[in-house]
Amino acid sequence: NAGVTQTPKFQVLKTGQSMTLQCAQDMNHEYMSWYRQDPGMGLRLIHYSVGAGITDQGEVPNGYNVSRSTTEDFPLRLLSAAPSQTSVYFCASSSSVRRDTQYFGPGTRLTVL
Amino acid sequence: AQSVTQLGSHVSVSEGALVLLRCNYSSSVPPYLFWYVQYPNQGLQLLLKYTSAATLVKGINGFEAEFKKSETSFHLTKPSAHMSDAAEYFCAAQGGSEKLVFGKGTKLTVNP
Repeated sequence: NAGVTQTPKFQVLKTGQSMTLQCAQDMNHEYMSWYRQDPGMGLRLIHYSVGAGITDQGEVPNGYNVSRSTTEDFPLRLLSAAPSQTSVYFCASSSSVRRDTQYFGPGTRLTVL
Repeated sequence: AQSVTQLGSHVSVSEGALVLLRCNYSSSVPPYLFWYVQYPNQGLQLLLKYTSAATLVKGINGFEAEFKKSETSFHLTKPSAHMSDAAEYFCAAQGGSEKLVFGKGTKLTVNP
């Protein structure tokens, strides 16, 4: 198993550009989520999904869109990037059977100029 | 709403000294509780977790944590710090859903 994979590892954007952060898992997990990590703020939940076709907002959803068309993939879209979205983004997944065990991806470091 | 408070954004100890990182949660129902470690420029690694079994939980790298319901605490300890323990540590809580709520983190420095 590859576990949770994220691409790209690093990205630099200009203000107003759009991009998609990719997240995939090969463990057939129902639950997937996106967090952002900022210095002194810990990790904050952006969006999450409890299964294909079902998504919901977390603590800091503004400026981000998600969709879940398959169990494996959970992309995070920035439609018009802002400097405030400079952050490290982590994707995570877990099974409904073992919801106490979340698997984290390696992260994507995004800089918006 | 669930919240997690980590007391002390920075903790500094000498090599060989006791490590104590504090975490308090707010919940009327004891949640699942976790400690994660993050080394510089790396992802999150699970140290240990409490899932309503034993209140004293042992994790990797010699760390352990004790769940105290009366104090709503889940402090992380290690008897003797090693230079390789220098990292940022995050406490997290999980209530009735899969959502994790993280504390703001504590950066541990180990001095020789």
